[in-house]
This record gives sequence, structure tokens and C-alpha cells, in this order.
Amino acid sequence: NAGVTQTPKFRVLKTGQSMTLLCAQDMNHEYMYWYRQDPGMGLRLIHYSVGEGTTAKGEVPDGYNVSRLKKQNFLLGLESAAPSQTSVYFCASMRAAYSKKLFFGSGTQLSVL
Amino acid sequence: AQKVTQAQTEISVVEKEDVTLDCVYETRDTTYYLFWYKQPPSGELVFLIRRNSFDEQNEISGRYSWNFQKSTSSFNFTITASQVVDSAVYFCALSDSGGGADGLTFGKGTHLIIQP
Repeated sequence: NAGVTQTPKFRVLKTGQSMTLLCAQDMNHEYMYWYRQDPGMGLRLIHYSVGEGTTAKGEVPDGYNVSRLKKQNFLLGLESAAPSQTSVYFCASMRAAYSKKLFFGSGTQLSVL
Repeated sequence: AQKVTQAQTEISVVEKEDVTLDCVYETRDTTYYLFWYKQPPSGELVFLIRRNSFDEQNEISGRYSWNFQKSTSSFNFTITASQVVDSAVYFCALSDSGGGADGLTFGKGTHLIIQP
């Protein structure tokens, strides 16, 4: 069972470069989320989606864009990477609102130089 | 607005000691859910427990136990007879009843170090 899969696992970017993080889930979950984890800050919500074709802003959305063209995939884009975006990124999914249980991917370590 | 506070940034104990991780939450909702996640050194997030606001019974799972007290807005986590494998960062999290679509609000985590 794959669950939630994030690619890539590691990436190094130069300031100003762009990239896309891919999150794929095979559990037919409706809701998907992108979090970032920084030392001493816990996990903070970047964007989320409540279904195919929908997206919404979380706590720290600036500098990121997302798309949910297919139910199973949730993409996180950085158009012009900045050193402040160096972080560990976690994708998560949830079957429906009532389930209240998030399933997490293994994370992506992103460094922006 | 929701808020989760884990005041203990880091705790270090010797193996076999009992240790309690504190979690205090704030929410205006009467229906909400509380969670604990474990993040071992490998980095993945491991779900430990979910508790809804209507169930104040304490729960025990092996060496783990959770004490939910609505009167003090706390959801504390105790590890009995700690082991080195318990070393990890532990996160407390909160989800309100508003559809739950906006995910969980996490505390900043407590880094637990179990020394052999």
C-alpha cells in the first residue's frame, strides 16, 4: 500500500528557480494538504484542497501555488524560490471531513541557496 | 482561532523513567478533535491517537496513556517506562468541527530524548 507518496524526497534550488513538488495518494481521499515544517515552528498549513479542481489558502500561502487537476494528485509550486522557503514539506490526505485523520507522506527536504 | 501550545521544547530523561508531554489547546468550538503524532529521527509522521471533545475518558495503549481534561483545555501524553526508541519529536494537534477541511493546527512539538 503506497498511501501518500511525495516526490522528490530531496531538492536543492538556487534563489529564483522554480520547481513543483508532487503529492500522490492512492486512497481515493477527498482532502489534501501541504504543510511546511521548520525548526521550532511545528507544521504550518500552506494550501489545501477539498476536492478535485478546488484549492484554498492556509496559514502561510505566500510564495506558493497549488493545483488539484486530478483527485489523486496535489501539486505544490514555487515560482521563484527564496531562501526562506528552505524547509521540509509534508503532504497529507484525509478521506473526508468526518474522518478527522490525516495520512502523511514521508516529506520533501528542500534547500534554497 | 485555534491554538495549540506545547510549552516543553525539549525533554531529556533516562531510560525507564516515566515522562509526560504537555499540550494545552484553545478553540471556540464545542466539538473538536485532538491528536498526537510522533516524528522519529527518520522524519515521517506517525499517528498515535485521536480524541473527540465529547470523550473525556483517559486512554491507555501499552506504555502510552493520554489524559484529556476539558476543564483545563489539556491533552497530555505520558510514556511509562520510557525506551530509547521513544526518542522523537511529538506533536499535539487540534481540528475543529468546521468541516475539518482546513486540516489540523499543530503545536510546535516537544523533542523527547531518552538516554540509555
